[in-house]
Amino acid sequence: QVQLVESGGGVVQPGRSLRLSCAVSGLTFRNYNLHWVRQTPGRGLEWVALIYYDGTTKYYADSVKGRFTISRDNSKNTLYLQMNSLRAEDTAVYYCTSYVYWGQGTLVTVSS
Amino acid sequence: DVVMTQSPLSLTVTLGQPASISCRSSQSLLYSDGNTYLDWFQQRPGQSPRRLIYEVSNRDSGVPDRFSGSGSGSDFTLKISRVEAEDVGVYYCMQGTHWPPWTFGQGTKVEIK
Repeated sequence: QVQLVESGGGVVQPGRSLRLSCAVSGLTFRNYNLHWVRQTPGRGLEWVALIYYDGTTKYYADSVKGRFTISRDNSKNTLYLQMNSLRAEDTAVYYCTSYVYWGQGTLVTVSS
Repeated sequence: DVVMTQSPLSLTVTLGQPASISCRSSQSLLYSDGNTYLDWFQQRPGQSPRRLIYEVSNRDSGVPDRFSGSGSGSDFTLKISRVEAEDVGVYYCMQGTHWPPWTFGQGTKVEIK
């Protein structure tokens, strides 16, 4: 069956960096556009970034543009989110998703 | 950005009774290809979201037929014909017509009476 497994979350101080990974199995990874979506109790579901199936095109939410970088390694069936200059408002559960398939999420907490 | 507004934000339903959730967008979601990219997601307590409906009215694989979606333009509805205990959770609409960004409604919490 299809599995998306996020990792890399944790507690980090404001201004620091974190890299999330999403390991995908059970589907032809290189055929799928993939997103990162985050969720907070206060702001609900928020789209963060998209990367095309071949990695050539990327889009970002204004709230993370210039700080976050989405990437993928089609040889490793893995999606990434490099998060720099983290802020308290980046605290959320981060999901990788194709919208049909979702991971279980990884919690990022930005706090001093 | 397209703003998605759901109502009600909370719904308490008797088992076996119908439920209806409204979702309105700040602009029409009809795309130039003739499709309308409005999806519905269910998030059960402690779980990740799950897509139920895509392009307004198409059920995803494995979704019970008691779930149906309808609407056009900027006005959409998710209906549950007979609510079951497993339907408890939060329901979100999302537009994928005017992207980026993809935008979600605030969510509607469904509880059983």
